[in-house]
Amino acid sequence: AQRVTQPEKLLSVFKGAPVELKCNYSYSGSPELFWYVQYSRQRLQLLLRHISRESIKGFTADLNKGETSFHLKKPFAQEEDSAMYYCALNNAGNMLTFGGGTRLMVKP
Amino acid sequence: NAGVTQTPKFRVLKTGQSMTLLCAQDMNHEYMYWYRQDPGMGLRLIHYSVGEGTTAKGEVPDGYNVSRLKKQNFLLGLESAAPSQTSVYFCASSWGQGAEQYFGPGTRLTVT
Repeated sequence: AQRVTQPEKLLSVFKGAPVELKCNYSYSGSPELFWYVQYSRQRLQLLLRHISRESIKGFTADLNKGETSFHLKKPFAQEEDSAMYYCALNNAGNMLTFGGGTRLMVKP
Repeated sequence: NAGVTQTPKFRVLKTGQSMTLLCAQDMNHEYMYWYRQDPGMGLRLIHYSVGEGTTAKGEVPDGYNVSRLKKQNFLLGLESAAPSQTSVYFCASSWGQGAEQYFGPGTRLTVT
C-alpha cells in the first residue's frame, strides 16, 4: 500500500532562514509526487510536481528514489510562505494520497 | 470562471440525519474527487469519478455515497450522519489522471 509521511506537524523558522519540509513515501511503483499548499483563507493549490522539475516561489523539491523522499526546500523563507503544506503521491489508479501536512510559520 | 464551487459552506447535522453536498466545476474536467480533511491526517479520498455516470471508491468510502449524473456536478451524500463524519470536506477536479487537481473552498460539517 502506498503511504506518504510528513514527520513534522509544525515547522517554525525566522524570515531569511532556510526551510526544508520533509516528505517520505512508500510505493512499489514509479512514484509521481506533488506538493500542494494552502495559504490562510485560500484554497488548496498545487505548488509543484517532481516531473516538471521547476522552482515555484523559490521552492524546489527533488525526488530521491534511494531514500524515498521528496523534501521541499527554500533557501530564504519569507513571511508570505507561512501556510499548510501537503506532500502527495499519485498512483497509477487515479488516486492521490496525501501526507498529514506540515504547518510552516515564518516569523519576522 | 468560478472554478470549483461547493454548497453549502457550513452545516450542522444531528446524528442520523441525511444531507447532500454539491460540487460543481466549470472547467470541463473529466475527473472529480471528494476528500475529507481531519487534523493530522491530511486529506483522505472518499470517492472519485473519472467521467459522467461513473464513480469509484477511494480510501474511506464507508458511510458515503456519490453520484455524477452531469459532467460538471459531483454529489456527496450522507444517508445517516455520525459524529465520526464531522470534518471539512473538499471537492476537486482535474482533466485527467495525474493532472493538477483544482480544489473547492471546502464544506465544514459538524455532526452532533
